Amino acid sequence: KAGVTQTPRYLIKTRGQQVTLSCSPISGHRSVSWYQQTPGQGLQFLFEYFSETQRNKGNFPGRFSGRQFSNSRSEMNVSTLELGDSALYLCASSPGRDPTGELFFGEGSRLTVL
Amino acid sequence: GDSVVQTEGQVLPSEGDSLIVNCSYETTQYPSLFWFVQYPGEGPQLHLKAMKANDKGRNKGFEAMYRKETTSFHLEKDSVQESDSAVYFCALSELNGNKLVFGAGTILRVKS
Repeated sequence: KAGVTQTPRYLIKTRGQQVTLSCSPISGHRSVSWYQQTPGQGLQFLFEYFSETQRNKGNFPGRFSGRQFSNSRSEMNVSTLELGDSALYLCASSPGRDPTGELFFGEGSRLTVL
Repeated sequence: GDSVVQTEGQVLPSEGDSLIVNCSYETTQYPSLFWFVQYPGEGPQLHLKAMKANDKGRNKGFEAMYRKETTSFHLEKDSVQESDSAVYFCALSELNGNKLVFGAGTILRVKS
């Protein structure tokens, strides 16, 4: 069974640009969550989608947005990039909507903002 | 808001030593509690979990007891191995959805 796939794995952007990251969950999983990981702030929840609907949202500015498609694939977008957005962005998929901890993380997309 | 505190940033036991990695949480809800482990270049993976008070999670010789009276979920192992070296994150999840609140993480480096 294929795991969670995130693309691209690495990318470099400059301040003011925007970026779109993609996540393909494990087949059959309907919940996709996004997390930002930095050395200073650790792992922080961005948002969760279930059946194309945003179910939870973390405390990030409106520059961070996401969506989920009917095949459960998800994208997140960051507009007007700032230096502080440099981070590892992790996607996690889960079979359903209950917090069983059965989250399966991808390897992440490492974003560097110059 | 909810929070998880891991007091040790790094622990350096020798192989065969016992281990306790501290985790305390704060929430107004009745959370589920988890330990995740992260190896270099990989995303976190679920290590063990406890869904309600007095449950004990177990995996690969590690244990953690969900203690509601002390709001703690400490990770313990009797005898660590070099292969246990990784970053360990304590986390909680409320009933609504898959939103996890993570602690800052504890780097475990086991000396051979």
